[in-house]
Amino acid sequence: DVKVTQSSRYLVKRTGEKVFLECVQDMDHENMFWYRQDPGLGLRLIYFSYDVKMKEKGDIPEGYSVSREKKERFSLILESASTNQTSMYLCASSSQYRNRYEQYFGPGTRLTVT
Amino acid sequence: GDSVTQMEGPVTLSEEAFLTINCTYTATGYPSLFWYVQYPGEGLQLLLKATKADDKGSNKGFEATYRKETTSFHLEKGSVQVSDSAVYFCALLDLYSGAGSYQLTFGKGTKLSVIP
Repeated sequence: DVKVTQSSRYLVKRTGEKVFLECVQDMDHENMFWYRQDPGLGLRLIYFSYDVKMKEKGDIPEGYSVSREKKERFSLILESASTNQTSMYLCASSSQYRNRYEQYFGPGTRLTVT
Repeated sequence: GDSVTQMEGPVTLSEEAFLTINCTYTATGYPSLFWYVQYPGEGLQLLLKATKADDKGSNKGFEATYRKETTSFHLEKGSVQVSDSAVYFCALLDLYSGAGSYQLTFGKGTKLSVIP
């Protein structure tokens, strides 16, 4: 089974802090994604990566950056956390070759910025 | 661009009732369609999928048929259980839209509550 893990289930940070959210997948997937989930808005794509060191902006990249130095790991960085970044963050991965791009999700990190 | 519209929730049903959650889509290419489920406090799990017109996806008693003529992929279950209480997301993946980004397009989710 594909396993996608996220470094924390719950995180509380202060405004202005730099925040790192880590995601690791164990299925050698090429693609990795970061979403945020908010009530009434569903899932919105922040960034994705289709290869090591490659990244593409999603629908809402402002205030975020990402890093993918190894194939299995995709990090989301909040350079200076703000209260409007309080949300559930979901990581996902998919393969370009197996199961045709079906995305597999981690358990999520609920981030609160105070 | 691609979009997914699913019925507004929340939906509250009694145990053993019939469930339908409507989902319609617009896409420029030939999408694959998915239903994901999110149980309380967890990430999304793939529930079922269909990759071409008239395909029926099924899993755990849930079914959905890919209807190209009505651009729909409605989720159904004949007899819901309390354990089915969750948020359900309809999604599409359009590999031929030219975006080259392998992105899923999600609906906003429908919360289902099943009461004993």
